[in-house]
Amino acid sequence: GENVEQHPSTLSVQEGDSAVIKCTYSDSASNYFPWYKQELGKGPQLIIDIRSNVGEKKDQRIAVTLNKTAKHFSLHITETQPEDSAVYFCAAKETSYDKVIFGPGTSLSVIP
Amino acid sequence: DTAVSQTPKYLVTQMGNDKSIKCEQNLGHDTMYWYKQDSKKFLKIMFSYNNKELIINETVPNRFSPKSPDKAHLNLHINSLELGDSAVYFCASSQRQDQETQYFGPGTRLLVL
Repeated sequence: GENVEQHPSTLSVQEGDSAVIKCTYSDSASNYFPWYKQELGKGPQLIIDIRSNVGEKKDQRIAVTLNKTAKHFSLHITETQPEDSAVYFCAAKETSYDKVIFGPGTSLSVIP
Repeated sequence: DTAVSQTPKYLVTQMGNDKSIKCEQNLGHDTMYWYKQDSKKFLKIMFSYNNKELIINETVPNRFSPKSPDKAHLNLHINSLELGDSAVYFCASSQRQDQETQYFGPGTRLLVL
């Protein structure tokens, strides 16, 4: 089955700097890669996603890149703000079972 | 206008007890899920239902039994609670089984003493 790894596990950045979180997946058949943000005491919320036929996608300050050959995908947050502080999860969807496998999460702290 | 709601929000109970967590979604979605998030924040799928039919059943002890009375509700009953069951349980829903975007509830924080 699919296995998703995520790095780093914790990340601290100064407000205004960029943050990058990297993930790898194992199943070359996976074709959908969402990113979820989980704020303290809340459930995860989808912030951006990318499909395997696209190499990059942007939405204001966040962007996601996908390298299908290397089975890597990354989340980029520019001009970070304190409200970006949260746990971020990458995920990959197993096509055979319609199941989303989550990475272990990255705890991002943005220091004012 | 809560999209996915869960009750209770907190649940503290003794080992060996039986408890239930309820989930409701008002999005009109066909598919609902239960996830377990442990103390290290690992998020793992437990069950998935599509139109009241069980479609994903991960390696979960038989003490956990999901029930979907209709496609807007998915409840989770846990028998003979153990210390290791302490976690946050999230319900989620998606429009269809093959629809990727999942909407999560606020979670139920279960503590077994």
